[in-house]
Amino acid sequence: DGGITQSPKYLFRKEGQNVTLSCEQNLNHDAMYWYRQDPGQGLRLIYYSQIVNDFQKGDIAEGYSVSREKKESFPLTVTSAQKNPTAFYLCASSIDRLSSSYNEQFFGPGTRLTVL
Amino acid sequence: AQSVSQHNHHVILSEAASLELGCNYSYGGTVNLFWYVQYPGQHLQLLLKYFSGDPLVKGIKGFEAEFIKSKFSFNLRKPSVQWSDTAEYFCALHSGGYQKVTFGTGTKLQVIP
Repeated sequence: DGGITQSPKYLFRKEGQNVTLSCEQNLNHDAMYWYRQDPGQGLRLIYYSQIVNDFQKGDIAEGYSVSREKKESFPLTVTSAQKNPTAFYLCASSIDRLSSSYNEQFFGPGTRLTVL
Repeated sequence: AQSVSQHNHHVILSEAASLELGCNYSYGGTVNLFWYVQYPGQHLQLLLKYFSGDPLVKGIKGFEAEFIKSKFSFNLRKPSVQWSDTAEYFCALHSGGYQKVTFGTGTKLQVIP
């Protein structure tokens, strides 16, 4: 089955601790994304990566970090500098072909992070 | 900067009623537009998309959307909703040559049997 997996589904952390959210895809997509979903605010882009070893800040990157060492993996670290980390985090991927119509995004099931 | 506005935050309809959800965007260049849907407990998934050509696009489950360039709009429609259409709907904009997508704030649709 091709798709995107995110783990864990639920995550609890104490305030001040860094935490890393996993995202893996086996769709052979070049581009990967991290979004944060809060009630009434839709999806807000945290970071995105169009190719291995390269990534760009999205609209709300402060307090987050990412890496893209492998095409299949795009982990997100929520650092202690993120002032309001409790949220639902979604990972997505898309084929990065600028000349084609294949740039719809495919989403994972999400991770709900609660900071106590 | 690009932006997407969805003015209806919560819509409640009876089964068989017609649906129209508004989506307006702000961007001066070429755009690709999407509607995504998130059913309760499920992944966000693509409903339909517009890239070029016929401004009236059809998606899954009887949904359609019309791209009106002069109004910067991409409203979602369905002639007769079903209880199973209860979900949250997101309009999204992809602009230029960058793989960055901007989402609207979403509209929660509740269909009453």
